[in-house]
Amino acid sequence: AQTVTQSQPEMSVQEAETVTLSCTYDTSESDYYLFWYKQPPSRQMILVIRQEAYKQQNATENRFSVNFQKAAKSFSLKISDSQLGDAAMYFCAYRRSSNTGKLIFGQGTTLQVKP
Amino acid sequence: DTGVSQDPRHKITKRGQNVTFRCDPISEHNRLYWYRQTLGQGPEFLTYFQNEAQLEKSRLLSDRFSAERPKGSFSTLEIQRTEQGDSAMYLCASSLQARFSYNEQFFGPGTRLTVL
Repeated sequence: AQTVTQSQPEMSVQEAETVTLSCTYDTSESDYYLFWYKQPPSRQMILVIRQEAYKQQNATENRFSVNFQKAAKSFSLKISDSQLGDAAMYFCAYRRSSNTGKLIFGQGTTLQVKP
Repeated sequence: DTGVSQDPRHKITKRGQNVTFRCDPISEHNRLYWYRQTLGQGPEFLTYFQNEAQLEKSRLLSDRFSAERPKGSFSTLEIQRTEQGDSAMYLCASSLQARFSYNEQFFGPGTRLTVL
């Protein structure tokens, strides 16, 4: 069975600084997707960034980028130029590339942004 | 397009009562997912539908839980004889499953259930 582990329950960063959130996963599949989702307090979850396992190039979306290490089964999220609105719970998630579509989430990391 | 909506947003019930939640997906989305999220944890998959067919159920979905999507549009999740352990946020998500699509899931705001 696939598992996703986030070992940092809480992280904090100074506004305008850079922070990296860690995620590791376990799977025997060779083709899959990895995601980072953001869940602000009392608001719905939104997709931050996506990585296809077959792509070697790391995904980037504006201030958000990932470091995908397939052999190490590691998938970290880097947030550059942190803003107050980045404060949220961040979840790493895995999805097989087959038809099921269900997401397997990590435990989450709460990110605090200090002004 | 108003996104995924869920009703009610909050539900407080007494142990042993039945509760039903509703999810309205994004209109053109053919897939609908239910997840459960307990405090401080990541969401856990419960079940999903493609159109009106329920294609997968988690072992977390005990006999007291039932989900339907009668016409392939909205979905309901019913919990019978609620227990205190059922207290959680119930999240609904929808996606468009199509060839060459990423099948991105869009989440609703959730229904927070408290069982007293």
